[in-house]
Amino acid sequence: EADIYQTPRYLVIGTGKKITLECSQTMGHDKMYWYQQDPGMELHLIHYSYGVNSTEKGDLSSESTVSRIRTEHFPLTLESARPSHTSQYLCASSDPGAHEQYFGPGTRLTVT
Amino acid sequence: DQQVKQNSPSLSVQEGRISILNCDYTNSMFDYFLWYKKYPAEGPTFLISISSIKDKNEDGRFTVFLNKSAKHLSLHIVPSQPGDSAVYFCAASGDNYGQNFVFGPGTRLSVLP
Repeated sequence: EADIYQTPRYLVIGTGKKITLECSQTMGHDKMYWYQQDPGMELHLIHYSYGVNSTEKGDLSSESTVSRIRTEHFPLTLESARPSHTSQYLCASSDPGAHEQYFGPGTRLTVT
Repeated sequence: DQQVKQNSPSLSVQEGRISILNCDYTNSMFDYFLWYKKYPAEGPTFLISISSIKDKNEDGRFTVFLNKSAKHLSLHIVPSQPGDSAVYFCAASGDNYGQNFVFGPGTRLSVLP
């Protein structure tokens, strides 16, 4: 059973606030990802990491930042939230040799 | 410009019948394809995959067909069950993407009892 966790599940926050979305996995996977998804739309890759101290930007430009200090932990930070950041954020992980990605349940963010 | 397209936003099928979900892609460098299923308030879960060296892969009730010349793949679910009601995402990858995946917008399948 895949174990990947995201907190919070839902967040409503005011414009200008700093927020950190947490993602942890217990599978020892080296590769981790953050996706952004608007309702009815495709998942867009915003960040990924090959392992500790590795972070890369994805296809979709994002004002968020990520860090990878530990294998199991891949938090995403927005320094100053804006209404345009309202979306669902999905974290995933995979083994380097496998194509399959395991997804967390997502964080639905609303910025008012 | 969408590189992975799922032109049917929704599909309704009677229980016990076949569900066919379609996916088209534009990038001929894609060589690996996956289907994910997503229930509300949950993350996507992996369903089935296919490599470009094959044209068919089967896993129980789920079969994926790949037509490379048409840049088209389809997911067949036979027989469809009410528990199959979910959003289905097609995803494609290639070496030029560092093995990252490009996702389609999804098709919402409703299986009616």
